[in-house]
Amino acid sequence: AQTVTQSQPEMSVQEAETVTLSCTYDTSESNYYLFWYKQPPSRQMILVIRQEAYKQQNATENRFSVNFQKAAKSFSLKISDSQLGDTAMYFCAFMTYTGANSKLTFGKGITLSVRP
Amino acid sequence: GAVVSQHPSWVICKSGTSVKIECRSLDFQATTMFWYRQFPKQSLMLMATSNEGSKATYEQGVEKDKFLINHASLTLSTLTVTSAHPEDSSFYICSARDGGGQRYIFMNTEAFFGQGTRLTVV
Repeated sequence: AQTVTQSQPEMSVQEAETVTLSCTYDTSESNYYLFWYKQPPSRQMILVIRQEAYKQQNATENRFSVNFQKAAKSFSLKISDSQLGDTAMYFCAFMTYTGANSKLTFGKGITLSVRP
Repeated sequence: GAVVSQHPSWVICKSGTSVKIECRSLDFQATTMFWYRQFPKQSLMLMATSNEGSKATYEQGVEKDKFLINHASLTLSTLTVTSAHPEDSSFYICSARDGGGQRYIFMNTEAFFGQGTRLTVV
């Protein structure tokens, strides 16, 4: 079974600063996908970034980038130039692709507050 | 990205009654839909996986007779909370995956989420 661990329950960052959210996972699979989802106060789940395990290059999406360390089973999210709208709960998620029924395994989440 | 619409956004019902929550994929065919439950400040807990035209697969510990799931078409799945009790009060979220076939293999890894339904049982 796969597990996803987010050990920091809360973090706070000053607007315009950079923050890194940690995530580790455990799996015996070699091919899988990792995701970071954002859940703002509206509670709508929004995909922030996705990483395929077979790709060595770290994924980036504008101000969001990941540090994917496959050997260490670590998948951290870096948010640069933090904005007030980044205030949300962030979930790290894992998935082995076995077809349409592939399930997402979520971490416990971290609440990020961006201070003005 | 694709759009998943969940309805209603919030509902209050009396204890003992049943409540139906709808999840629709608006611009793609969702061969698979997932239903989650989320308590405040906690993670999403997968309740069941539903496939169009077949019975849902429930996660361990989820009562299939209490949480009835129907996936009658490629764009609609419903979750019915039967004989609701206050402990069923929660936030319910659906997600759907595009069954676009092999040429959409990358898109198939992404699950699109509905807006969620806040259920309060009084």
